[in-house]
Amino acid sequence: DQQVKQNSPSLSVQEGRISILNCDYTNSMFDYFLWYKKYPAEGPTFLISISSIKDKNEDGRFTVFLNKSAKHLSLHIVPSQPGDSAVYFCAASASVNDMRFGAGTRLTVKP
Amino acid sequence: NAGVTQTPKFQVLKTGQSMTLQCAQDMNHNSMYWYRQDPGMGLRLIYYSASEGTTDKGEVPNGYNVSRLNKREFSLRLESAAPSQTSVYFCASSPQGGTGELFFGEGSRLTVL
Repeated sequence: DQQVKQNSPSLSVQEGRISILNCDYTNSMFDYFLWYKKYPAEGPTFLISISSIKDKNEDGRFTVFLNKSAKHLSLHIVPSQPGDSAVYFCAASASVNDMRFGAGTRLTVKP
Repeated sequence: NAGVTQTPKFQVLKTGQSMTLQCAQDMNHNSMYWYRQDPGMGLRLIYYSASEGTTDKGEVPNGYNVSRLNKREFSLRLESAAPSQTSVYFCASSPQGGTGELFFGEGSRLTVL
C-alpha cells in the first residue's frame, strides 16, 4: 500500500509562474515530511523539509505547506525557472529509518 | 567531494545469476540505505544499516542480502536474480537516520533478462 501519494505524474508551467506540487499521505503517524528533486541520471537531492509541528517552511523560492487535518502537503516554487525542470519526490517518515516516498511528479518549466 | 559512490552504474544479468552492488560514502555518516525505484512506485526501502555492524529489513527485502563492511561501505547482493528485480537501485546515507535528510548516490540500473 502506498502511504504517500503524488497523484499528478506531470506538471507543466511557464517560466516565472508558480509551480504547485501536491502530495497526500495516509499514515497519521508521519511526523516529518521532505521534498527531493531528481534530475535524469542523478540521484535525488534534498530540497526542503517540514516537521509536523509546523504548517509552513520557506527557503528562498521554495515553500512547503502542511495541512495535517487533510493529510496533505504541497510544494510551491515561485518564480519557476527552467532549471527547476526535474522529478520531485515527496517523502514522509514516522520513525527512524522508515521513510516512504511518493511516485514523483515530473515538472517541466517552459521558457 | 565524492559523497555517495555506487558501482556499477549499469548491469545486465540473466535470471539466476548473482551480483553485488557496492556503495561507499565519505561523509562519516552512521546510517546507510538501499532503495529501489520502479515506475509509478517511487523509491522503496530494501535494507538499511543504522550503524556499523547492524542491518535491518526495509519495505521490500525479499531476494536481497546486505553487508555493512565498515562505516563507509554498504553492499547489496542479489543471490539469484529475477526479472522482477529489474530496477534502478539507489544507495543513500544519513548522519541522523530516519527523519533526516538522505544523501543519495547516482544510482545503478540493473536489468535481469
